[in-house]
Amino acid sequence: QITLKESGPTLVKPTQTLTLTCTFSGFSLTTHGVSVGWVRQPPGKALEWLALIYWDDDKRFSPSLKNRLTITKDTSKNQVVLTMTNMDPVDTATYYCARRDYGSGALDYWGQGNLVTVSS
Amino acid sequence: QSALTQPASVSGSPGQSITISCTGTSSDVGSYNLLSWYQQHPGKAPKLIIYDVSKRPSGVSNRFSGSKSGNTASLIISGLQAEDEADYYCSSYAGSSTPWVFGGGTKLTVL
Repeated sequence: QITLKESGPTLVKPTQTLTLTCTFSGFSLTTHGVSVGWVRQPPGKALEWLALIYWDDDKRFSPSLKNRLTITKDTSKNQVVLTMTNMDPVDTATYYCARRDYGSGALDYWGQGNLVTVSS
Repeated sequence: QSALTQPASVSGSPGQSITISCTGTSSDVGSYNLLSWYQQHPGKAPKLIIYDVSKRPSGVSNRFSGSKSGNTASLIISGLQAEDEADYYCSSYAGSSTPWVFGGGTKLTVL
């Protein structure tokens, strides 16, 4: 059974750095082709892809946010960590992690999401 | 502004069929068959319902189907049920640097 779960703060102040952890089970990020991505969704708005990390530590970032994002993995803990610097109220959103299917590229398993509010 | 264009809302009565369109460009939808659809109920995480344009994951109702022509993909839901009322998002591969581009989402109302 594949599961993912996001953890992290629910409230951050403007200019602070957000750190979110995705803890997963049922698959391994050491397996060829496996990758985990982050997607966010502002309240009432659409999904927005943020970052992706592959089994071989290759990484991809949304062009509009790449200067603010870092993504790392800890395969011994089955975790992927996303950091976003210089948080702003417009970054208020639910942040999801999800597994990317190797063949289709689709996000086939999702976490429950972590709502992050940016406010002073 | 989302990369893929979807209608903001569609509606239909129980038992009817509806179609949700997803329009991209020759750099994404038009170039790859890595097109997926997600269903999202309020307060819930998105759920994959279609991948590779027209394939259904195990457990997804065969009332959901997908197709693509040129730069436009479509999600068809037949035999509408009350439980289908949700937001629907399309997503396309857009190259190795951009694994996903999403649509703006479509709210389906079952009348």
